[in-house]
Amino acid sequence: DQQVKQNSPSLSVQEGRISILNCDYTNSMFDYFLWYKKYPAEGPTFLISISSIKDKNEDGRFTVFLNKSAKHLSLHIVPSQPGDSAVYFCAASVGANNLFFGTGTRLTVIP
Amino acid sequence: DTGVSQNPRHKITKRGQNVTFRCDPISEHNRLYWYRQTLGQGPEFLTYFQNEAQLEKSRLLSDRFSAERPKGSFSTLEIQRTEQGDSAMYLCASSPRDRGIGNEQFFGPGTRLTVL
Repeated sequence: DQQVKQNSPSLSVQEGRISILNCDYTNSMFDYFLWYKKYPAEGPTFLISISSIKDKNEDGRFTVFLNKSAKHLSLHIVPSQPGDSAVYFCAASVGANNLFFGTGTRLTVIP
Repeated sequence: DTGVSQNPRHKITKRGQNVTFRCDPISEHNRLYWYRQTLGQGPEFLTYFQNEAQLEKSRLLSDRFSAERPKGSFSTLEIQRTEQGDSAMYLCASSPRDRGIGNEQFFGPGTRLTVL
């Protein structure tokens, strides 16, 4: 069963606007959440993370929000740039164990 | 370059052959993970090591798969008697954390396996 879900396979956004990528999870034991960015033929690149004791973490243009009651997290990118075009994966873990990944959302930033 | 490295980057083999992949983690990272990714899916966990000890194996890791991490440094993943369903991208990741808060895992470029 898919414990981490990304229900939007794709998203298109105009350059300079905000991109919002969403992720839902089912396992209430997850206590650490991460976002990765992936280009074709490369491994995932770590972007930003958040622990379950927080509800927001910010790093430059990237902000992750966590809503534990709804088992939902989101990644906000503002302003979006053409170089942000990639596949974004949400991931979650229990402690320092293996990551469970969603199926990814392909973001296209239109110049 | 001090990132995670994987070799080979691409491997084409015939069904029934054995293949071995290598992963060199970031220096001093004590945790090493193997994942597999197929088209349209996110990476799926296979196994992980803390130093030289293999701590967990996924049910995806059939008895044809074996992984080692001698001396807690590089790791190898071997697939025996390959099947067409083994075709995938095999990803290795390492992490410096084994306790406390935080589980950032840093991935290598992957090995793309094609079984004909």
